[in-house]
Amino acid sequence: DAGVTQSPTHLIKTRGQQVTLRCSPKSGHDTVSWYQQALGQGPQFIFQYYEEEERQRGNFPDRFSGHQFPNYSSELNVNALLLGDSALYLCASSSWSSYNEQFFGPGTRLTVL
Amino acid sequence: AQSVSQHNHHVILSEAASLELGCNYSYGGTVNLFWYVQYPGQHLQLLLKYFSGDPLVKGIKGFEAEFIKSKFSFNLRKPSVQWSDTAEYFCAVNVGSSNTGKLIFGQGTTLQVKP
Repeated sequence: DAGVTQSPTHLIKTRGQQVTLRCSPKSGHDTVSWYQQALGQGPQFIFQYYEEEERQRGNFPDRFSGHQFPNYSSELNVNALLLGDSALYLCASSSWSSYNEQFFGPGTRLTVL
Repeated sequence: AQSVSQHNHHVILSEAASLELGCNYSYGGTVNLFWYVQYPGQHLQLLLKYFSGDPLVKGIKGFEAEFIKSKFSFNLRKPSVQWSDTAEYFCAVNVGSSNTGKLIFGQGTTLQVKP
């Protein structure tokens, strides 16, 4: 049973560029949440997707957007990258109807130069 | 705004010592509480969770936590730590209805266990 998978593992971009990160949820899960974890900090909630719609959003600017596909996988897009966007981006999956816990993926390490 | 505070940023213990990591949250309503662990080079894993019922919950690897509603606390404990417990520990709160996926994390505590 595959857990949550994320790609790519590492990414290096320059300021002003755009980036897309991908996530496949754990088998049987239909809800995906994205978090940003800066160095030395706890993860911060970006947004959550269920039934291909954004259900909740944290305190992140509109440069951060997402998408969920019919197979429940998800993408996180960040436009106009800033140096401060450098972080570990975590995807977590769960079941909407029987929320119990969130399972986290290994993350994508984004470095903005 | 809801927040989670972990009192200890860096804890160093010798093997067999007892562990207690503090966690306090600011929210007056219904909460679900979690402790996650991140071992070096690995992803976040759930140690234990509290939704309702017995406020003393037991998790994996001998960890336990006690929910004290009056103190808005959910401290993590282990009677005797091992070198393999060296990791980053995060307390998290999920507020409101059970379908909400918004976890609010503390800043984390780095635990270093000396052999």
